[in-house]
Amino acid sequence: GQNIDQPTEMTATEGAIVQINCTYQTSGFNGLFWYQQHAGEAPTFLSYNVLDGLEEKGRFSSFLSRSKGYSYLLLKELQMKDSASYLCAVSGSRRSDKLIFGTGTRLQVFP
Amino acid sequence: NAGVTQTPKFRVLKTGQSMTLLCAQDMNHEYMYWYRQDPGMGLRLIHYSVGEGTTAKGEVPDGYNVSRLKKQNFLLGLESAAPSQTSVYFCASSYTAGSNQPQHFGDGTRLSIL
Repeated sequence: GQNIDQPTEMTATEGAIVQINCTYQTSGFNGLFWYQQHAGEAPTFLSYNVLDGLEEKGRFSSFLSRSKGYSYLLLKELQMKDSASYLCAVSGSRRSDKLIFGTGTRLQVFP
Repeated sequence: NAGVTQTPKFRVLKTGQSMTLLCAQDMNHEYMYWYRQDPGMGLRLIHYSVGEGTTAKGEVPDGYNVSRLKKQNFLLGLESAAPSQTSVYFCASSYTAGSNQPQHFGDGTRLSIL
């Protein structure tokens, strides 16, 4: 079966660091995406991992371990505007580029 | 710099009515997708297309039909709307050149079925 797990909600303080975990079990694996979605808006692309290791993009980093079926998104120097849902999605097939999405983690950043 | 455009943005229907949601992209993407997003369930794929003239079923295709007559447009039809189809619908598109190409999403259509 196909399963992607993320925590439902997280809270953090402005200026802090937060790590959002994602574990997956899929019949195939061709990469993992992280998207950000502000309330009432469209998801927007944050990062892509296909090889093990850490990908860094400014304040955001994403890590992947294929052997463990595990990824995390690391957000540093949190800002109020980082309050949003963070969606983990796995590409299981090269042929169709179909993504399987987790239910998302709603992050609230407090001052 | 339009990207992916969805129309309409909001719609209220009565049970049994039909309607079509339009998605247009100006990025020359081959692949297009229709998702629905419901609270606590994440994004679920309804139908998708890997090129002009092609369509395929996703995870939750029942009650929906799609057409891709032109490369830039992907239409989602509800034949006989049901309250269970109340949801936010997102269209997305991507290139074909490998899975490192992210999907680009439209702003969504909020659909209520009474």
